[in-house]
Amino acid sequence: EDQVTQSPEALRLQEGESSSLNCSYTVSGLRGLFWYRQDPGKGPEFLFTLYSAGEEKEKERLKATLTKKESFLHITAPKPEDSATYLCAVQAGAGGTSYGKLTFGQGTILTVHP
Amino acid sequence: ETGVTQTPRHLVMGMTNKKSLKCEQHLGHNAMYWYKQSAKKPLELMFVYNFKEQTENNSVPSRFSPECPNSSHLFLHLHTLQPEDSALYLCASSQVYRVNEKLFFGSGTQLSVL
Repeated sequence: EDQVTQSPEALRLQEGESSSLNCSYTVSGLRGLFWYRQDPGKGPEFLFTLYSAGEEKEKERLKATLTKKESFLHITAPKPEDSATYLCAVQAGAGGTSYGKLTFGQGTILTVHP
Repeated sequence: ETGVTQTPRHLVMGMTNKKSLKCEQHLGHNAMYWYKQSAKKPLELMFVYNFKEQTENNSVPSRFSPECPNSSHLFLHLHTLQPEDSALYLCASSQVYRVNEKLFFGSGTQLSVL
């Protein structure tokens, strides 16, 4: 069964204090690892898709990286507007029992104080 | 019009009521999804429709009944729900149902079952 574990559950940072969120996964035949951002009262918003170990993607202050067992979301010099819940999800490929399905982690709640 | 619109935003219902959730997407997508987000739990896939055909039913109880009359509209009919069904119900869409398709989510319906 595919599993995704995110840590920490909650992270409080001062503005400008860089840090990383972790997403550990177990999946048979990873086809894609996704990062989403969810603001209170809203649905998740797509950030990145990573396809293979060693891949990196960046968007503004966020950088996502992928290894064979985990992904990191690095936040450089965060601002209060980066406060949100960050969700990680994995998708298995053909041959897996969960083909096409996204399996989500429980999320990391990030709070950035001014 | 926003990409994926869900109504109502909030719903309170008794265990004997029948209600429906509505989702409409304006993105020209062909796949639509229902997800359940309970407090402190990961997003959980309920149903997938691809080109109006149901392709996934993630062992959802029959008190939840989906309907997809066309590629732009998705409904979730609710009847005789239990208090543990209280959650945020999210609708999403994607171009098609396949691996590595990013999902576009609505803002959800916050459901409370009394």
